[in-house]
Amino acid sequence: GNSVTQMEGPVTLSEEAFLTINCTYTATGYPSLFWYVQYPGEGLQLLLKATKADDKGSNKGFEATYRKETTSFHLEKGSVQVSDSAVYFCALSASNTGNQFYFGTGTSLTVIP
Amino acid sequence: NAGVTQTPKFQVLKTGQSMTLQCAQDMNHEYMSWYRQDPGMGLRLIHYSVGAGITDQGEVPNGYNVSRSTTEDFPLRLLSAAPSQTSVYFCASSYSIEQPGYTFGSGTRLTVV
Repeated sequence: GNSVTQMEGPVTLSEEAFLTINCTYTATGYPSLFWYVQYPGEGLQLLLKATKADDKGSNKGFEATYRKETTSFHLEKGSVQVSDSAVYFCALSASNTGNQFYFGTGTSLTVIP
Repeated sequence: NAGVTQTPKFQVLKTGQSMTLQCAQDMNHEYMSWYRQDPGMGLRLIHYSVGAGITDQGEVPNGYNVSRSTTEDFPLRLLSAAPSQTSVYFCASSYSIEQPGYTFGSGTRLTVV
C-alpha cells in the first residue's frame, strides 16, 4: 500500500540554522510528492511539490528532491527564520489509488531567535 | 477572497447530538474532500467527491455522511456525535483528481463532550 513516514518532532532550531526534515515513502507506481505547511490556527498550505523522479521542488528557500532510488523526499532549508515555525507535512498522491493523498504525521518546527 | 471556506471554526457538541460542518469553495474545483486531524496521526481522509452528485468513502467514514448537490458545497454531517469524533476537521479542494494539489480550508475544531 501507499504510506508516508516522517521524522518525529518536535524540532527546535536557532535562527539561521540548517533544517532537514526527513520523509520516506512507500508506493506502487509513480507517485507525486508534496510538502505542506500548517501555521498555528490555520489550514495546510502547499509548500512545494515534485511529480517525477529527480525533480526538485522549491519555494520560499525550502527545497526537496524526489529520490526514487531511496524513496525519499527530504525537506531542507539553508537558513531558517522565526517565521518558519510551523508544522510540516509530507504527502504523496498516487495514480493507482485515484490520486488520493496520503499524509505523514507531521513534524513540528520551532525556530528561536 | 477565493478559497475554501469552512464554518463554524469552533463547535462543542454533546454526545448524541447531530450537526453539519459546512464547506464551500469558489474556485470551480471538481474535487473536494474532508479530513480529520488528530495528534500523532496526521490527516485521515473521511469522504471525498469527484464532482456534483458523486461521493465516496475515504479511510475513516464511519459516523459521517456527505452529499454534493452543487460544485461549490460539500457539507459533512455527524449523525450522532461521539467523543471519538473530537478532532480538527479540514475541507480541501482541487481542480481535478488528475491534478493533485489541494487548497485547504482553515479548519473546524470540534469537541464532543
